[in-house]
Amino acid sequence: SAVISQKPSRDICQRGTSLTIQCQVDSQVTMMFWYRQQPGQSLTLIATANQGSEATYESGFVIDKFPISRPNLTFSTLTVSNMSPEDSSIYLCTGQYGTGELFFGEGSRLTVL
Amino acid sequence: GQQLNQSPQSMFIQEGEDVSMNCTSSSIFNTWLWYKQDPGEGPVLLIALYKAGELTSNGRLTAQFGTTRKDSFLNISASIPSDVGIYFCAGLLGYQKVTFGIGTKLQVIP
Repeated sequence: SAVISQKPSRDICQRGTSLTIQCQVDSQVTMMFWYRQQPGQSLTLIATANQGSEATYESGFVIDKFPISRPNLTFSTLTVSNMSPEDSSIYLCTGQYGTGELFFGEGSRLTVL
Repeated sequence: GQQLNQSPQSMFIQEGEDVSMNCTSSSIFNTWLWYKQDPGEGPVLLIALYKAGELTSNGRLTAQFGTTRKDSFLNISASIPSDVGIYFCAGLLGYQKVTFGIGTKLQVIP
């Protein structure tokens, strides 16, 4: 299975601040995505992290709120900007193999006060 | 976004019992994935299915790719306490994004 390292694993943040989550994947990964999982819910795709270009965002998610970078094949960051309590969630980095299998990192559990 | 229908949404079973859960979609997929998520962890891939009718096992877990390509099933035999968690199905068609089910929360009573 893919090796996906994500940090921080958890954080408690103040309203109005921003937090950047880092994700490192192994070189077999072809696609990288960012998901959000709100408490007790399923997984919602935020965006596809595109190498060297702007991320592709899903409906309901915008670049100003969730800027994403992917400077190379194996590294990506997600920033949650101007946070509010509604942003309290688990944010998950994923890597996809060419076969379609999707592997998740441990997730970053964010609590906004 | 689109989500798959997964059932049951939660279940309590006695240790040692077998478990069945399923996932249905209004769209066809050519890949089905089953995940388990423990509290505070990211989902872990259990089984991947690539062909209609395919039956694949991973230890006590067996999953099947439905012949209509619109459903998939996961069975767990002889459940044990560490089977507790949330099980998610996910479907994929070609290079499109992965669609996740709403999850089945499994609790095992020792």
